[in-house]
Amino acid sequence: EADIYQTPRYLVIGTGKKITLECSQTMGHDKMYWYQQDPGMELHLIHYSYGVNSTEKGDLSSESTVSRIRTEHFPLTLESARPSHTSQYLCASSESGRANSPLHFGNGTRLTVT
Amino acid sequence: DAKTTQPPSMDCAEGRAANLPCNHSTISGNEYVYWYRQIHSQGPQYIIHGLKNNETNEMASLIITEDRKSSTLILPHATLRDTAVYYCIVSPANAGGTSYGKLTFGQGTILTVHP
Repeated sequence: EADIYQTPRYLVIGTGKKITLECSQTMGHDKMYWYQQDPGMELHLIHYSYGVNSTEKGDLSSESTVSRIRTEHFPLTLESARPSHTSQYLCASSESGRANSPLHFGNGTRLTVT
Repeated sequence: DAKTTQPPSMDCAEGRAANLPCNHSTISGNEYVYWYRQIHSQGPQYIIHGLKNNETNEMASLIITEDRKSSTLILPHATLRDTAVYYCIVSPANAGGTSYGKLTFGQGTILTVHP
């Protein structure tokens, strides 16, 4: 059973608010990822990290930012939320020392910006 | 990364085997085949992966053709809880490569298991 947690599970906020989506894992994984998924659509990688102080942008452009100060924590921040940010955000992690290590996903944060 | 092609939807009777095909005709020699599934409103769940040999675990079996251009995920005794979107993904497994772990999820196959 994967130990990766995302909070909040659901979030409804107004336009212009700053929000941070939390993601924590207790498996000691170096690699962590953020994916964005609209209902019924594909997952798109928006950020990833290969370890502490490492962050990279993913394949899909995103106005969000991430930080990786601790191995277990990979928060995602939106400085000024807009309705176009309404989506599901999925966090994942994987081992770095083992080739073809699978991704472990959290259950996501479903964000609605009104 | 190699692109995959999956049927958009499939049906299966409860208790029967579900065989989900995936075409990856442009797969490279160092690319693995991964299968994940996503049950409604949850995060994707890893199922199985393989390079060239057939693989089996407690969840499923993976059959990869000899030329590696296609594969089949087999759920031997499907249950209603196996209803989900199933994703077939190919990706390099080089732990030192920048593409490692950055899986590209396509549309997947919606598997519906009915009583």
